[in-house]
Amino acid sequence: QKEVEQNSGPLSVPEGAIASLNCTYSDRVSQSFFWYRQYSGKSPELIMSIYSNGDKEDGRFTAQLNKASQYVSLLIRDSQPSDSATYLCAVNRGDSGYSTLTFGKGTMLLVSP
Amino acid sequence: DAGVTQSPTHLIKTRGQHVTLRCSPISGHKSVSWYQQVLGQGPQFIFQYYEKEERGRGNFPDRFSARQFPNYSSELNVNALLLGDSALYLCASSLVLYRGGFKDNEQFFGPGTRLTVL
Repeated sequence: QKEVEQNSGPLSVPEGAIASLNCTYSDRVSQSFFWYRQYSGKSPELIMSIYSNGDKEDGRFTAQLNKASQYVSLLIRDSQPSDSATYLCAVNRGDSGYSTLTFGKGTMLLVSP
Repeated sequence: DAGVTQSPTHLIKTRGQHVTLRCSPISGHKSVSWYQQVLGQGPQFIFQYYEKEERGRGNFPDRFSARQFPNYSSELNVNALLLGDSALYLCASSLVLYRGGFKDNEQFFGPGTRLTVL
C-alpha cells in the first residue's frame, strides 16, 4: 500500500467551477497535512496546511481533513486557468525525531477558459 | 523577505562524476531538507538537517551525502553519478525540526536544481 495516494488525473474543470482534489494516507500517526501547487518546470509552492479534523478555508481554497478515514481533500472554488498545475498532497509522519514530508504523485488540474 | 535559494539552477554532468548542490534557507529557519523529484513523481525525501546535525535520512545510497553549515546553509553531494540520478533536486527549509500540528514545521521549497546526467 502506497503511503500517500492521489489520482494522477488530469482533472479537467471549466473556468468558474469547483475543483475537488483528494488524497488518502496510510500512516495513522500523521499529524500535519499539506497541499502544494507545482507549475510545470517549477518547484512546489505551499498553498494550504491543515492539522485538525474539519475544514480550513483560505480565499478560494478549502482544505478538509478526516483523520478517522485518513483522507485529505482540497477544494478550489471559482477555478481559474491560472490554477492549472499539479497539486501535491504531503503528509508529515509525526515522528518527533524529524520532519519528513511524504508526497503523493500529484494530481494534474486543467482549468479550461 | 528572501525565500529559499539554490544553486546552480541547472547542471549537466556525465556518469561517474561528482556534483555539489547548494541551498540557503529562509532567514531564521534552522532546518533544511533535501528532496529528489523525478518526472511524474512527487518529491522523495533524501536528508534533513537541523542545527548542523543529520536528523533524518531517506532510502538513498551512500553516494548521497550532505552537511549543514553554522549559518544553516547546506550542501548536497552526490558521488559516482548514475543516469538515474537525473532529477530536480529540491531544498526546503522550516523554522524548527518538528512540532506536530503547528505551522513551525511548514516546509518551503527553493526553486530547485535540475541535474542531467549523460
